[in-house]
Amino acid sequence: QSALTQPPSVSGSPGQSVTISCTGTSSDVGSNNRVSWYQQPPGTAPKLMIYEVSNRPSGVPDRFSGSKSGNTASLTISGLQAEDESDYYCTSYTSSDTLVFGGGTKLTVL
Amino acid sequence: QVQLQESGPGLVKPSETLSLTCTVSGGSMNSYYWSWIRQPPGKGLEWIGYISSGGSTKSNPSLRSRVTISVDTSKSQFSLRLSPVTTADTAMYFCARGMSYHRFWGQGTLVTVSS
Repeated sequence: QSALTQPPSVSGSPGQSVTISCTGTSSDVGSNNRVSWYQQPPGTAPKLMIYEVSNRPSGVPDRFSGSKSGNTASLTISGLQAEDESDYYCTSYTSSDTLVFGGGTKLTVL
Repeated sequence: QVQLQESGPGLVKPSETLSLTCTVSGGSMNSYYWSWIRQPPGKGLEWIGYISSGGSTKSNPSLRSRVTISVDTSKSQFSLRLSPVTTADTAMYFCARGMSYHRFWGQGTLVTVSS
């Protein structure tokens, strides 16, 4: 299985919105709604931000939202804040009952 | 609040076996899936595999022949064995709860493969 494709980096100014894409295939992202997103500051364990495409765990600000169209999922962060600067990873369950991660995206808040 | 803690040797020699245990506290292991995920230094996350509380497992096809995941719910633990290892297996190893998404994670443990 191949890793999902994410842009290596994105950036935005405080208050702006940014979107991180996550492109897979009809065997993973396109085959189910089990796409999730994680935030990982340096030196820490990942934190779940979105699960099952668009659901937010309790405690995650509603500035974070997820969506999916075909084989591509997206994470949108609105009203960017300095604390959002981090690495972000998407994952997808696959038709083989395995899990695949994206390569990760570094978000820089300008 | 569910907490997970990885434990095991931080240094393993090439061709030998990497063995890690994850201890779960603050909740029951029953009815959940439990996962191992790793991250080489400076690189992205890689899914290793998961196990159900009943013992059903699935692992990454790229690692499958070398990976064994087991669970002991009476001890609130699940374990990872990877054998044989190479320097490419040097990574931070995380345990987590869940199959398709992971709400609770351990802090991670760094395993270095070196002679």
